[in-house]
Amino acid sequence: KQEVTQIPAALSVPEGENLVLNCSFTDSAIYNLQWFRQDPGKGLTSLLLIQSSQREQTSGRLNASLDKSSGRSTLYIAASQPGDSATYLCAVRGGYQKVTFGTGTKLQVIP
Amino acid sequence: NAGVTQTPKFRVLKTGQSMTLLCAQDMNHEYMYWYRQDPGMGLRLIHYSVGEGTTAKGEVPDGYNVSRLKKQNFLLGLESAAPSQTSVYFCASSPLAGAYEQYFGPGTRLTVT
Repeated sequence: KQEVTQIPAALSVPEGENLVLNCSFTDSAIYNLQWFRQDPGKGLTSLLLIQSSQREQTSGRLNASLDKSSGRSTLYIAASQPGDSATYLCAVRGGYQKVTFGTGTKLQVIP
Repeated sequence: NAGVTQTPKFRVLKTGQSMTLLCAQDMNHEYMYWYRQDPGMGLRLIHYSVGEGTTAKGEVPDGYNVSRLKKQNFLLGLESAAPSQTSVYFCASSPLAGAYEQYFGPGTRLTVT
């Protein structure tokens, strides 16, 4: 059974700092890994999708990497801003429509 | 293009009552999903559909039923609500399986008293 872990559960950083969020998974047989952002009381917004054959994806200040063999992905946020404050979720898609989510990292960027 | 929409946004039910949650997508996606999100447990898949007229069980299907009579709609039903079904429910869709990303609706917050 796939298990997805996100550490830390919460993170507080000063504005402008570069930061890394971690996601680890136990079964490397995946199609892709997706990073989401969730604001309080809202739905999930897709940030980046990394296919199993890719090693990284970039969008603006965000960079996500994937190391399938070690079961790890990182989301790098450059020059953090207060507007980046949210919960960040990673989700791993395996076979038969099986998508397993982590429990998220709650990020607070302090002005 | 509204993406994925969910109706209602909030609902309070008494134990034993029934209700239906509606999910609609206007992206012509084949696959649709229902998840529930509970504190400390992440999102868990309830049911999913790989096309019009087809449905399948996910990780936590007990107490729920679904129907996909039209490609753009995916309905989640609770026949006899229980307090354990208090949760936030999210619908998602994706074009196809495998490498495609999922698009999520805004969620329905359900409280069962």
